[in-house]
Amino acid sequence: KQEVTQIPAALSVPEGENLVLNCSFTDSAIYNLQWFRQDPGKGLTSLLLIQSSQREQTSGRLNASLDKSSGRSTLYIAASQPGDSATYLCAREGNKLVFGAGTILRVKS
Amino acid sequence: GAVVSQHPSWVICKSGTSVKIECRSLDFQATTMFWYRQFPKQSLMLMATSNEGSKATYEQGVEKDKFLINHASLTLSTLTVTSAHPEDSSFYICSAAAGGTDTQYFGPGTRLTVL
Repeated sequence: KQEVTQIPAALSVPEGENLVLNCSFTDSAIYNLQWFRQDPGKGLTSLLLIQSSQREQTSGRLNASLDKSSGRSTLYIAASQPGDSATYLCAREGNKLVFGAGTILRVKS
Repeated sequence: GAVVSQHPSWVICKSGTSVKIECRSLDFQATTMFWYRQFPKQSLMLMATSNEGSKATYEQGVEKDKFLINHASLTLSTLTVTSAHPEDSSFYICSAAAGGTDTQYFGPGTRLTVL
């Protein structure tokens, strides 16, 4: 069974802290790995897409890495801000998107 | 670019009634659209995949007679929840892609509450 697990389930940090969100998947034969942001009661915003041939992608304060051999991806957020508070979902792309349950992030001002 | 809209954004209905949710790709032609369901504090679960002009493919455990999907044009797909019950209350999100394996663009979601 193809599963995606995210750790931690919830995280609360003070503003300015650097943080790492973890995503692991059981099927290493993935095509791509994608990170999304979801605000309460809203749809998904794509943050970063790492193609299977890549090891990482960066966008502003966000950096995502992909290690297919270990079945892991991490999302690094630098200098966190209250506006970063949201649920972060990772999803592995195969013949369909399979999502993790998400990490609920709260950045306190 | 690549904007997907959903209507309505929220709906409350009585048990036993049917509810239709629309998903539109506003600035591109979506050959494939996907419907997901998300229960509180849980992940998105794919319900079905629809290709324009053909029948939808449902995931295991999803009742095709209860969740009717129509993808009649390259910019519109609809999900009808028939004879809704309180356990159908959920957040329904659609996504659209130009092709089956292309990047999916997500709609803002529809909150369904069945009383």
